[in-house]
Amino acid sequence: GQNIDQPTEMTATEGAIVQINCTYQTSGFNGLFWYQQHAGEAPTFLSYNVLDGLEEKGRFSSFLSRSKGYSYLLLKELQMKDSASYLCAVLDSNYQLIWGAGTKLIIKP
Amino acid sequence: DVKVTQSSRYLVKRTGEKVFLECVQDMDHENMFWYRQDPGLGLRLIYFSYDVKMKEKGDIPEGYSVSREKKERFSLILESASTNQTSMYLCASSGTGHTGELFFGEGSRLTVL
Repeated sequence: GQNIDQPTEMTATEGAIVQINCTYQTSGFNGLFWYQQHAGEAPTFLSYNVLDGLEEKGRFSSFLSRSKGYSYLLLKELQMKDSASYLCAVLDSNYQLIWGAGTKLIIKP
Repeated sequence: DVKVTQSSRYLVKRTGEKVFLECVQDMDHENMFWYRQDPGLGLRLIYFSYDVKMKEKGDIPEGYSVSREKKERFSLILESASTNQTSMYLCASSGTGHTGELFFGEGSRLTVL
């Protein structure tokens, strides 16, 4: 079966750095996506990786290793507004998105 | 600003009632999706549509149907609501090509009593 694993919850301190991991086992791979979802709101697109390596976008970076079935989202200089759930999703061989359950990130002052 | 609008943020219905959830997008997107989101689970795809009058079953279509009569509108129908359909329902759309980048609506939280 297809599976995406990410930690259920993480806690970090304002101003620090946090890394949210995602491992996947899917039938085929056509890209990995990270979304941010604030409580009670819609998910919003953060990043897309299809080749191995690091993609940087401001304070957020996303890394992919296809051979290891592994990705991480790196958040730097954490702000209170970064408190949210972060969803990892993989586009499989049928171009369907397979979603992880999400990681709830709690930022403490 | 691009927008996906869902008709109702909160609904309370009784078991056996027919429920309509409406979704409209203003981005001229071909692809539209209905998901449900439950605590501890990833988003689960109910139905999707790649074109007007076209629909495809997702992973959990049982108990649901959809309608896409116009490109901008995608409706989810619960013919006879049951308590296990209490959930957050999310509509999303995407353009051709980059099908993993979805634009979501705010969600409709449905409670079935």
